[in-house]
Parts: sequence; C-alpha cells; structure tokens
Amino acid sequence: AQSVTQPDIHITVSEGASLELRCNYSYGATPYLFWYVQSPGQGLQLLLKYFSGDTLVQGIKGFEAEFKRSQSSFNLRKPSVHWSDAAEYFCAVGAEYGGSQGNLIFGKGTKLSVKP
Amino acid sequence: NAGVMQNPRHLVRRRGQEARLRCSPMKGHSHVYWYRQLPEEGLKFMVYLQKENIIDESGMPKERFSAEFPKEGPSILRIQQVVRGDSAAYFCASSPQGVASYEQYFGPGTRLTVT
Repeated sequence: AQSVTQPDIHITVSEGASLELRCNYSYGATPYLFWYVQSPGQGLQLLLKYFSGDTLVQGIKGFEAEFKRSQSSFNLRKPSVHWSDAAEYFCAVGAEYGGSQGNLIFGKGTKLSVKP
Repeated sequence: NAGVMQNPRHLVRRRGQEARLRCSPMKGHSHVYWYRQLPEEGLKFMVYLQKENIIDESGMPKERFSAEFPKEGPSILRIQQVVRGDSAAYFCASSPQGVASYEQYFGPGTRLTVT
C-alpha cells in the first residue's frame, strides 16, 4: 500500500540555521510528490511539488526539495530558517490507482519550532 | 480570485446531532476532495467528488457520513448522529482536474467539536 513517512515528529532549530525535513514514500510507480505547510488553525498551503524532470525543485518562501528515487525520499530544505517558518509541514504523494483519482496520501507531519 | 471557501470555520454539535460542512471550490475547479485531520495526525482522504458524481469514497466511514457536490452550490459533507470521535478538522480541497499530478488547493477547514 502507498504510504508516506515523516520520521521526525518535532524539530527545533535556531533562527538562521539550516533546515532539513525528511520524507520517505512507498509507491510503485513514478510518484507525484508535494510538500504543504500548515500554520496553527489554518489550512494547508502548497510549498512545492515534483512531477518529473529535475530532481531538485524550488518552492515558495525559499524552500527546496530533492527527489531521490534510490532512497525513496523527498526531503525539504531551507538554508536559513526564519521565525515565521514555525509551522507544521506535511509531505504528500498523489495516489493513482490505474486511473486518475488523484487524492493525496499524507505523512503525519513534522512540527517545526524556531528558537530566537 | 477567491480561494477554496469552507463554512462554518468552527462547528459545535452535541452527540446525536447532525453536522453539515460546506465547501466552495476555487473558480474553474470541478474536482473536490474532503480530508479529515485528527489531532496529532496527518490528513486522511475521505471522498473525491465531481459535479453530481462521487468518484471515490473509499475513505468515508461506512455509516453516518455522506457527501455531495450538486450541479449548483457548494459541496456538502454531512455527518449524522455525531459522536465524540467525529471531533476533528475537516478540510476541503479542489483541483482543476482529478489527476495525481495536479496540486490541490485547500480551504481553511471546519473544526468540528462534538460535546
């Protein structure tokens, strides 16, 4: 069955430090991969997506992610974290069952705290 | 260019009452997805609809839950005879097409509390 694993439940980094959030997926075919961010009490905002092509994708707010097929990973990175980045981050894969249903399978999320 | 709209944002119901959650997709989007987020959990897919059609309801509980997306008006997620375990945040998302490669745009969610 398709699944997404985010091994880190909670990460704390200092403002200005670099960040990497891990995401591993289990999927047979070429995955469509997404990272979303959720601020407290809010909906989800798309940070970036990977469909094909260049394995390093750039997103909004200075985030990037790298698709590594050999490791079944799609880790999210940011070189310098800002206090406003404190939020919960969700990795997701687009599910396709021989058709085009397209619903998303989400990991459980990683909560990011930023120390001043 | 309004985004996905959901209302109400917060809903309190007593056990046994009915909850109706509404979702208006983004303009030009004809595909709607409902997800449920339980505390400390990621979002779980519930149902995927197009206008007047349920395409995939594999994530919907078998009883008490139903969804529709009529020709006119918003999509509705209906929960009958709510129980405490239904307390969660319910998110609606829309996309222009129902394929896995299309990003989904999420609404702000409805937070349901069952007392």
